[in-house]
Amino acid sequence: KAGVTQTPRYLIKTRGQQVTLSCSPISGHRSVSWYQQTPGQGLQFLFEYFSETQRNKGNFPGRFSGRQFSNSRSEMNVSTLELGDSALYLCASSKGGASTDTQYFGPGTRLTVL
Amino acid sequence: AQKITQTQPGMFVQEKEAVTLDCTYDTSDPSYGLFWYKQPSSGEMIFLIYQGSYDQQNATEGRYSLNFQKARKSANLVISASQLGDSAMYFCAMREHLYTGANSKLTFGKGITLSVRP
Repeated sequence: KAGVTQTPRYLIKTRGQQVTLSCSPISGHRSVSWYQQTPGQGLQFLFEYFSETQRNKGNFPGRFSGRQFSNSRSEMNVSTLELGDSALYLCASSKGGASTDTQYFGPGTRLTVL
Repeated sequence: AQKITQTQPGMFVQEKEAVTLDCTYDTSDPSYGLFWYKQPSSGEMIFLIYQGSYDQQNATEGRYSLNFQKARKSANLVISASQLGDSAMYFCAMREHLYTGANSKLTFGKGITLSVRP
């Protein structure tokens, strides 16, 4: 069974631009969660999508948004990029039916904002 | 207050020896789950082991076991027979409200760096 895939793996953008990251979950998984990882703040939860609906949301500004498609693939968008948005963005998928489900992570997208 | 605390500095262990990575947590929710993940330098988070707050026995998965002490709110990861490939960052994470609605949010600790010496 294929794991979680994320594209692109690396991105370099400049301040003020916007970026879209993509995540394809494990086949059969309906929940996709996004996390931001930085050296200073560690791993922080951004949001979770389940059946095309945002089910949980972390404490991030509205510049961070996401969506999920009918095939469970998810995209995350960051508008008006700031230097502090430089991070590793990790996507995780789970079956989503129960909170005891294990989340499986993708390799991440490393975003650098110049 | 931090929900997940991992305070050990970088840990070193000799190959083939056992090592314990500490994790303490803080929650008032009676239903929660504790997870350990491994993150090699490549960046991908690899799931290792899970312990539910109502589980009667400590979780084990191959060389990984979890020393769960509920009253002390600790969930230490024990790696037996360390291998060179175990060198990585290790994260303890918690999910609350397990049985009061679907919740996928994981709260992570800061992580512990483990280096295995040959």
